[in-house]
Amino acid sequence: GAVVSQHPSWVICKSGTSVKIECRSLDFQATTMFWYRQFPKQSLMLMATSNEGSKATYEQGVEKDKFLINHASLTLSTLTVTSAHPEDSSFYICSAPEPGTWGYTFGSGTRLTVV
Amino acid sequence: QKEVEQDPGPLSVPEGAIVSLNCTYSNSAFQYFMWYRQYSRKGPELLMYTYSSGNKEDGRFTAQVDKSSKYISLFIRDSQPSDSATYLCAMSGNSNSGYALNFGKGTSLLVTP
Repeated sequence: GAVVSQHPSWVICKSGTSVKIECRSLDFQATTMFWYRQFPKQSLMLMATSNEGSKATYEQGVEKDKFLINHASLTLSTLTVTSAHPEDSSFYICSAPEPGTWGYTFGSGTRLTVV
Repeated sequence: QKEVEQDPGPLSVPEGAIVSLNCTYSNSAFQYFMWYRQYSRKGPELLMYTYSSGNKEDGRFTAQVDKSSKYISLFIRDSQPSDSATYLCAMSGNSNSGYALNFGKGTSLLVTP
């Protein structure tokens, strides 16, 4: 099946720095990538939807200037957490629709810890 | 009210038991229903998906959808310790986010040997 490779799997950064998370579709073209955030014992919450070549659509309450999404190619979407703070510590997961189906494939997730 | 409600558990069962996991939802526009399994600190992996109402069986797993009651279930027969994970229900349909999935909180399942 379709594979989305997500990196890094975990990262620790200092408060105030920026962190970039990458999601690559390895064997298909992902025109759309969904970015989710998951806090402990909580469900995956959609943060934003990125479409190749256009601006991302952010969910209500998600700061677009803080969570920068770039989807410059059909195989790469990135999420940059700018000026990270401890409250941004969470598990971030990307997901793309599988072509030819209405299923979705997920990256393996990135655990971000801001200290 | 959240669009998708799921009891987080934890649910502990002995090996070989039948497990029943459930979700309720409020958005009647949801048409596609999925169950994902998520191991700790990993991305979810798709287990089952169904469209509209009905049952679907795949090996030890059976998914049921009752749209009239806005209720979906996942049954696991002959449960194994390797089934221990968090199970997330997910649904999609017409939403402000296009076809992004709406997830339940996930139910933590522990199958003891």
